[in-house]
Amino acid sequence: AQSVTQLGSHVSVSEGALVLLRCNYSSSVPPYLFWYVQYPNQGLQLLLKYTTGATLVKGINGFEAEFKKSETSFHLTKPSAHMSDAAEYFCAVSGYTGGFKTIFGAGTRLFVKA
Amino acid sequence: EAGVTQFPSHSVIEKGQTVTLRCDPISGHDNLYWYRRVMGKEIKFLLHFVKESKQDESGMPNNRFLAERTGGTYSTLKVQPAELEDSGVYFCASSQVSWDPNEKLFFGSGTQLSVL
Repeated sequence: AQSVTQLGSHVSVSEGALVLLRCNYSSSVPPYLFWYVQYPNQGLQLLLKYTTGATLVKGINGFEAEFKKSETSFHLTKPSAHMSDAAEYFCAVSGYTGGFKTIFGAGTRLFVKA
Repeated sequence: EAGVTQFPSHSVIEKGQTVTLRCDPISGHDNLYWYRRVMGKEIKFLLHFVKESKQDESGMPNNRFLAERTGGTYSTLKVQPAELEDSGVYFCASSQVSWDPNEKLFFGSGTQLSVL
């Protein structure tokens, strides 16, 4: 079985500050990990993904995430927040468990203050 | 290239009525998924089509929900009769292949369903 826990349903940062969105996962098989972002009135878009290999993954818009197997974490970071980063972010996990489906967390809404 | 489109964007119905949601995946995508997000909670998997066949419908809440994908193109999700707890945002997603778990999903903007 697979599951995702996102710590904090809301995160607020000042423009220019570090963004840190936390994600922990549980998986009985080797996980594939994703971060998706949803802007208002739009569908989810893929920010970045971890499959195998390098544990530090870079995505679009300056975001990156690090896969830490020992901590079962895949936290999302960005060194300097921009107003346009305000959105809802979803961590997700997939892997073969008799079939393939992507399991999502509850989402973290990021607010960026001027 | 057109993305995943969903119709309607919003639907407000009364308890006991029937509602049909539609999803048009990206052309050529064999895989189509339905997800639902109840307010503030996780996006929950409902079911997965490969072409016109239901690959996995383990997430369907109960037999009031019926999904179809005739001809392997667009899909419909019908709720009959609707109950209050069916309210939420219904997302559709598509992808080209299903055997690759790191395959990127392309999402529609969702249908906000409100059952009063």
